[in-house]
Amino acid sequence: KQEVTQIPAALSVPEGENLVLNCSFTDSAIYNLQWFRQDPGKGLTSLLLIQSSQREQTSGRLNASLDKSSGRSTLYIAASQPGDSATYLCAVRLDSNYQLIWGAGTKLIIKP
Amino acid sequence: ETGVTQTPRHLVMGMTNKKSLKCEQHLGHNAMYWYKQSAKKPLELMFVYNFKEQTENNSVPSRFSPECPNSSHLFLHLHTLQPEDSALYLCASSLGTGGLYEQYFGPGTRLTVT
Repeated sequence: KQEVTQIPAALSVPEGENLVLNCSFTDSAIYNLQWFRQDPGKGLTSLLLIQSSQREQTSGRLNASLDKSSGRSTLYIAASQPGDSATYLCAVRLDSNYQLIWGAGTKLIIKP
Repeated sequence: ETGVTQTPRHLVMGMTNKKSLKCEQHLGHNAMYWYKQSAKKPLELMFVYNFKEQTENNSVPSRFSPECPNSSHLFLHLHTLQPEDSALYLCASSLGTGGLYEQYFGPGTRLTVT
């Protein structure tokens, strides 16, 4: 059974630092992996989607990597800003249908 | 805004009440989803509808009753809930149910059962 783990559950860093959020999954046979952002009172927003054949995806200050063999993905945030404060969720898709297996998220606080 | 709206945004109900959650999408999508998000737990998929037909019921208790009158609207009817049902209920939609179709989420309804 596929399980997705995100460690740490919470992280607080000063503004301007580069940081890495971690996501691990138990079954390497995934279709794709997606990172989402969740703000209080708002829904989930998709940040990056990495197909199983890809190693990384970049969007602005965000870079997501995927290592299927080790069952890990990282989300790298460069030059963090207070506006980056949110909960970041990782989800994997096992095959080509809609089922997403979710991690519990990492709550990120960027201190001004 | 993602194009998916949910009402109400907050709901407090007693265990004997009956209430309904509403979701509407303005994206022209064909598939809609209900998720439950409990504190510090992963999202749990509850129901999936594709072209108004239910394609997934993830062993959800019968006190939760979904309704999908058309591809743009999705309801979750609630009755005789338990305190452990308190959670954030998220609605999502996608163009199709294949893995290539990204899901777009609403802001959620924060439900508290007293």
